Amino acid sequence: EVQLVESGGVVVQPGGSLRLSCAASGFTFDDYTMHWVRQAPGKGLEWVSLISWDGGSTYYADSVKGRFTISRDNSKNSLYLQMNSLRTEDTALYYCAKDHNPVKTRYYFDYWGQGTLVTVSS
Amino acid sequence: QSALTQPASVSGSPGQSITISCTGTSSDVGGYNYVSWYQQHPGKAPKLMIYEVSNRPSGVSNRFSGSKSGNTASLTISGLQAEDEADYYCSSYTSSSTYVVFGGGTKLTVL
Repeated sequence: EVQLVESGGVVVQPGGSLRLSCAASGFTFDDYTMHWVRQAPGKGLEWVSLISWDGGSTYYADSVKGRFTISRDNSKNSLYLQMNSLRTEDTALYYCAKDHNPVKTRYYFDYWGQGTLVTVSS
Repeated sequence: QSALTQPASVSGSPGQSITISCTGTSSDVGGYNYVSWYQQHPGKAPKLMIYEVSNRPSGVSNRFSGSKSGNTASLTISGLQAEDEADYYCSSYTSSSTYVVFGGGTKLTVL
């Protein structure tokens, strides 16, 4: 059974930093591109970032480019999101999501975690 | 404002069919077949319902179907059931610098 479990969400002040983690199990983690998708309270979904199966390619939404860094450790079946220079508009539930196809990114997500809540507030 | 445009709400009675539209541009929906649809119940994570415009993942009811014409994709749910009441989001790959865009979501009410 595929499982994605996010952690690391807390309340942080504007300008602060945070690292989110996602522990994956139930599939061959290093075969798949992984994504972060967020959802502000009461709002819709927003794609944040992706990392290729080998970590060699990373992409970001314009809203987080230059502030967030995605990474992965295939030896630990783990995905990370380093979030710097946080803004109030970054407040959201952050989901870790698995890409549908192995190796070649397909830009849709067949498994999601339950999310971890990041609140940016003074 | 979301990159893809969806109606804010749709409704239907049990047994009826409804269609949710998702309008983009030639840079996303119209240019690629990487259109997907997600169902989200309150307090739950999204669930993939349709991928690559019209494909259903294993385990998704065949009451759900997808299509595309030009820059508009559509999700049709036939034989509406109470459990279909949820928010639905479309998504597409985009050739812009954002890579993936979502619609603003559509709240489906089963009357």
